Amino acid sequence: NAGVTQTPKFRVLKTGQSMTLLCAQDMNHEYMYWYRQDPGMGLRLIHYSVGEGTTAKGEVPDGYNVSRLKKQNFLLGLESAAPSQTSVYFCASRPMGGYGNEKLFFGSGTQLSVL
Amino acid sequence: AQRVTQPEKLLSVFKGAPVELKCNYSYSGSPELFWYVQYSRQRLQLLLRHISRESIKGFTADLNKGETSFHLKKPFAQEEDSAMYYCALDTDKLIFGTGTRLQVFP
Repeated sequence: NAGVTQTPKFRVLKTGQSMTLLCAQDMNHEYMYWYRQDPGMGLRLIHYSVGEGTTAKGEVPDGYNVSRLKKQNFLLGLESAAPSQTSVYFCASRPMGGYGNEKLFFGSGTQLSVL
Repeated sequence: AQRVTQPEKLLSVFKGAPVELKCNYSYSGSPELFWYVQYSRQRLQLLLRHISRESIKGFTADLNKGETSFHLKKPFAQEEDSAMYYCALDTDKLIFGTGTRLQVFP
């Protein structure tokens, strides 16, 4: 049981390049989330999904797009990377349940640097 | 607007001292809150949740709706408690605070 898997683990981009981060979970979870973690800023929600085919904006969605074509996968795209998007990106998932009941399962993170 | 505030970026204590990590929230509905912890080089993991009123690793947290707070407490800190602690507010989104780094010195 792999849990939540993020690929790649590290990536360096040049300004203006595009890339996609993949999050895969094998726990049949309904909800999936993308966060970025920056020093002094904590974890900020980029986008999230409450089910296959659905996505919603979080706190800092600008410059990112997401897709949830399959229940087990949640993709985060950067169309034109900027240095401000240098960060550690975390994916998380959890089953559907009453708020406050279900804990998040986190991936190990993707370290992205944009030069 | 939903918001979680952790006013302290760093909290340093000696082993055996009491610890209180502060968390305040802003939410118009009935709040459901979590504490998550990230040990060095590890993934974030759940520490405790308000709804289950549990005590994990000696930590407790009580929801105070009047003060809109969910402070994390431990009476006697241990060196292995050194980590980054995040308070989180649960609605359809899951919003985290900026985190507090706890350093416990021997």
